[in-house]
Amino acid sequence: AQSVAQPEDQVNVAEGNPLTVKCTYSVSGNPYLFWYVQYPNRGLQFLLKYITGDNLVKGSYGFEAEFNKSQTSFHLKKPSALVSDSALYFCAVRGAQYNFNKFYFGSGTKLNVKP
Amino acid sequence: GAVVSQHPSRVICKSGTSVKIECRSLDFQATTMFWYRQFPKQSLMLMATSNEGSKATYEQGVEKDKFLINHASLTLSTLTVTSAHPEDSSFYICSASQGQEYSPLHFGNGTRLTVT
Repeated sequence: AQSVAQPEDQVNVAEGNPLTVKCTYSVSGNPYLFWYVQYPNRGLQFLLKYITGDNLVKGSYGFEAEFNKSQTSFHLKKPSALVSDSALYFCAVRGAQYNFNKFYFGSGTKLNVKP
Repeated sequence: GAVVSQHPSRVICKSGTSVKIECRSLDFQATTMFWYRQFPKQSLMLMATSNEGSKATYEQGVEKDKFLINHASLTLSTLTVTSAHPEDSSFYICSASQGQEYSPLHFGNGTRLTVT
């Protein structure tokens, strides 16, 4: 069965510092992994995805994520955090081949970037 | 591209009434749409999968007679909360798939439902 785990409910970082939001996955077959961001009272916005190829994936707003097969991780990163990055972040994995339209979301990590 | 519009963004209704929420894919055809419910400070709970032209598939524990889903066209799915109760108050979010294996889900901006 497909699943993702986000071990941190909340991450605090100072503006200008690098940030990491953690995600680990468990899948059968190839992992198709995604990161989304949610601002208050809004839907989710797509940030980036890993399908195949380079382990370092670049996405929107300066975010990137590193796929690590041996550690089954897909951590979200940004070299220099902005206060405006404060939001709720979700990691997701796509369903297996027979059910690839279904997404499985992590529990979410609240990112707080302080000035 | 790949914009999903959800309406209304906020609705307040009285207990016992019904509320309809619309989800439209504006610039693509969505063979499959998904309805989620989100409680405060919690993750998304998938309620049902809506397939164009067929009955929706509900997740375990979701009452299909209470949360009516209709996907009448490739660009429109609706969720009707029937006989709403205060415990139905929540944030409801729809999403749509372009149907391609590598495509991300595209989300609407959500509907804040408050039942008084």
